[in-house]
Amino acid sequence: ETGVTQTPRHLVMGMTNKKSLKCEQHLGHNAMYWYKQSAKKPLELMFVYSLEERVENNSVPSRFSPECPNSSHLFLHLHTLQPEDSALYLCASSVGGLNSPLHFGNGTRLTVT
Amino acid sequence: AQSVAQPEDQVNVAEGNPLTVKCTYSVSGNPYLFWYVQYPNRGLQFLLKYITGDNLVKGSYGFEAEFNKSQTSFHLKKPSALVSDSALYFCAVRDAGANNLFFGTGTRLTVIP
Repeated sequence: ETGVTQTPRHLVMGMTNKKSLKCEQHLGHNAMYWYKQSAKKPLELMFVYSLEERVENNSVPSRFSPECPNSSHLFLHLHTLQPEDSALYLCASSVGGLNSPLHFGNGTRLTVT
Repeated sequence: AQSVAQPEDQVNVAEGNPLTVKCTYSVSGNPYLFWYVQYPNRGLQFLLKYITGDNLVKGSYGFEAEFNKSQTSFHLKKPSALVSDSALYFCAVRDAGANNLFFGTGTRLTVIP
């Protein structure tokens, strides 16, 4: 149990579908993150929320839409994705502060067909 | 600009031998340095960090890392490798003035029985 739970673990969707990834943290952290992990590439930071406000948006296409309704929950809404969006999507949380390590969930393996 | 380099995609070591996984970084200010490990089908787990103080940092599972400012390196080490250490290892750096954590591309460690 990592303290950060992601659902679903696996998702296959067509390019015209709409789906959402969910992340929940039980650690009392106040910052949450979405990362994209593709093979042989560095982890790509997508979004950062601190105290439920988005503080970082790294030029992510609008087909990815984050939502942070409270400090424990983070969503990533997906629509009209492309096959190159297939990857492992990782959620993480931290207590905030530059020297705080991130606590990751086990990820959602997304396949876009 | 911040960046992290892990020059080796793959490191093989015999069980019981010492292991080293290399990392070099580039930041404009003082670095905050981290090592994470990823086991198959799991998210990243925090191993250790360097913020300030002693150059030799000790972390989880017997791992340690040495901060070398002149060489801008933060190599991960363990005196005696275990087969269970086989995993993907990521180095990460944050500039003291930045919000983002930059990850390397990862090094796959295989410990041979």
